[in-house]
Amino acid sequence: SQKIEQNSEALNIQEGKTATLTCNYTNYSPAYLQWYRQDPGRGPVFLLLIRENEKEKRKERLKVTFDTTLKQSLFHITASQPADSATYLCALPTGNQFYFGTGTSLTVIP
Amino acid sequence: ETGVTQTPRHLVMGMTNKKSLKCEQHLGHNAMYWYKQSAKKPLELMFVYSLEERVENNSVPSRFSPECPNSSHLFLHLHTLQPEDSALYLCASSQGVGVNNEQFFGPGTRLTVL
Repeated sequence: SQKIEQNSEALNIQEGKTATLTCNYTNYSPAYLQWYRQDPGRGPVFLLLIRENEKEKRKERLKVTFDTTLKQSLFHITASQPADSATYLCALPTGNQFYFGTGTSLTVIP
Repeated sequence: ETGVTQTPRHLVMGMTNKKSLKCEQHLGHNAMYWYKQSAKKPLELMFVYSLEERVENNSVPSRFSPECPNSSHLFLHLHTLQPEDSALYLCASSQGVGVNNEQFFGPGTRLTVL
């Protein structure tokens, strides 16, 4: 199995700044890693997937890095907006299933 | 909308009741999942179905019984639950299992066991 740690439970940043969220895992490096967003009262929504041979992946204001040596993925939101406030989850696959982190609750302050 | 629907959205039940949660996906996916999400805990995978066959069962108590009659529908039958089973139950689907597919989640059923 995997143990996954996501940095702080909650992160508050000022609008316009870059938010950086961390996902650390302890055991084997997966072939890929996913990031999801979850809003209160809703199910998670897929954002990005990054493969082990990809150092970086971008989608609009989102950027994900994957360092298999450090066993870490970083998730960045640039030019953050209040609408980015949500909980962000990382997920690692193993076999037929995924292990999720507990998530980081991001609040972007206007 | 993600293409995955769940009913009911909220459920309150006593420990002696029997109830069922329903999930339906309109995406043509072959894999479906049940997860449990409790406060301050990571999502816990309960069951995985691929083409209507159960492929994972993560040591879930027998008071939870899944059913997958076809690739579009997934049920979770509940009986003699405990208060610690109160949680958000999420259904998800993906194109397949064991590959780098994104999962599409439903809105969840908020279950309270009294």
